[in-house]
Amino acid sequence: NAGVTQTPKFQVLKTGQSMTLQCAQDMNHEYMSWYRQDPGMGLRLIHYSVGAGITDQGEVPNGYNVSRSTTEDFPLRLLSAAPSQTSVYFCASSYRGVGTEAFFGQGTRLTVV
Amino acid sequence: AQSVSQHNHHVILSEAASLELGCNYSYGGTVNLFWYVQYPGQHLQLLLKYFSGDPLVKGIKGFEAEFIKSKFSFNLRKPSVQWSDTAEYFCAVNGNNRLAFGKGNQVVVIP
Repeated sequence: NAGVTQTPKFQVLKTGQSMTLQCAQDMNHEYMSWYRQDPGMGLRLIHYSVGAGITDQGEVPNGYNVSRSTTEDFPLRLLSAAPSQTSVYFCASSYRGVGTEAFFGQGTRLTVV
Repeated sequence: AQSVSQHNHHVILSEAASLELGCNYSYGGTVNLFWYVQYPGQHLQLLLKYFSGDPLVKGIKGFEAEFIKSKFSFNLRKPSVQWSDTAEYFCAVNGNNRLAFGKGNQVVVIP
């Protein structure tokens, strides 16, 4: 079982560049979400999805876009990278609701220079 | 919106010592509560959860947590820690379709 797979694991971007972080899950979970983890800040919700075609904003959505065209995939797009977006990004999925037990991917460590 | 408070962000203790991490939350509705653990360089893994029923829940690796509704608390305990318990621990609460995390407790166990 692959679970939740994130790619890439590491990425360095220049300010202003755009990129997409990939997230895929093979557990047929309806709910998926993206978090960023910063030292001393815990995990903060960026965007989430309750099913294919449905997305909503979390706590810190600015500078990020998401879409959910299939149940399996939930990519996160950085439109114009800024140093403040340097962080570790985690994708999660759950089978009972975005607010219930979540299974996490391995994370993407992003550095914006 | 719900919020979660964790205290004593950095904890250092010796093997065989007891561990207790505090977690308080604020949310007016029915909540589900979780503790997640993140070992160095790894992703978050579920340690234990409370949905309903017995307020004392047991998780993996000898951890347990007690839900006290009147205190809005969900404290994590382990009677005797091991070096391998060195990790960051996050309390989380779900509500309003969102999972909110505390800022975490960095626990270092000295052999």
